[in-house]
Amino acid sequence: AQSVTQLGSHVSVSEGALVLLRCNYSSSVPPYLFWYVQYPNQGLQLLLKYTSAATLVKGINGFEAEFKKSETSFHLTKPSAHMSDAAEYFCAVSGATGYALNFGKGTSLLVTP
Amino acid sequence: KAGVTQTPRYLIKTRGQQVTLSCSPISGHRSVSWYQQTPGQGLQFLFEYFSETQRNKGNFPGRFSGRQFSNSRSEMNVSTLELGDSALYLCASSLSTGGNTEAFFGQGTRLTVV
Repeated sequence: AQSVTQLGSHVSVSEGALVLLRCNYSSSVPPYLFWYVQYPNQGLQLLLKYTSAATLVKGINGFEAEFKKSETSFHLTKPSAHMSDAAEYFCAVSGATGYALNFGKGTSLLVTP
Repeated sequence: KAGVTQTPRYLIKTRGQQVTLSCSPISGHRSVSWYQQTPGQGLQFLFEYFSETQRNKGNFPGRFSGRQFSNSRSEMNVSTLELGDSALYLCASSLSTGGNTEAFFGQGTRLTVV
């Protein structure tokens, strides 16, 4: 079964600093990987997705993620954090058929002035 | 283009009652999935419907059921509510079924069971 593990339930960065949110996947076949963001009392918004077209994926709001098969990782990064980036971030994986997303436990990002 | 609409946004029910939640997908989207979000268990997949057929089902008891109508609108029903069913229920729609298809989420229905 495919699954993802997010390392760090809480991450705190200063405004302007690098954001790095970690996600490792477990899959016996090439997976489809996603990063979603959730603001308080809101649904989830897709930041980016990996579908094997390119290992470096650029998403919205300046975020990007790199798929590393050797490390089974799909970490999310942003060069410079903004106060508005404070939210809950979820890594997710799905299989080739059907649409059942398996989510990680989430990482709460805090951005301090 | 209107997004995914879930109604109601908030709901309070008593143990033992049943509840029906509604989801209207983005126009043209034929796949609807449901997720339960709780602080303890996180986001868990409930089921997915495509063209009125259930395609996938998560590991939830039979008290949780759903259906999809010909206009792709979907409903989720929970019978014999338990305190542990208190959660944010999220609906997502996508153009088709398939692992690489982007899912668009609604704002969710916050269910509180007392």
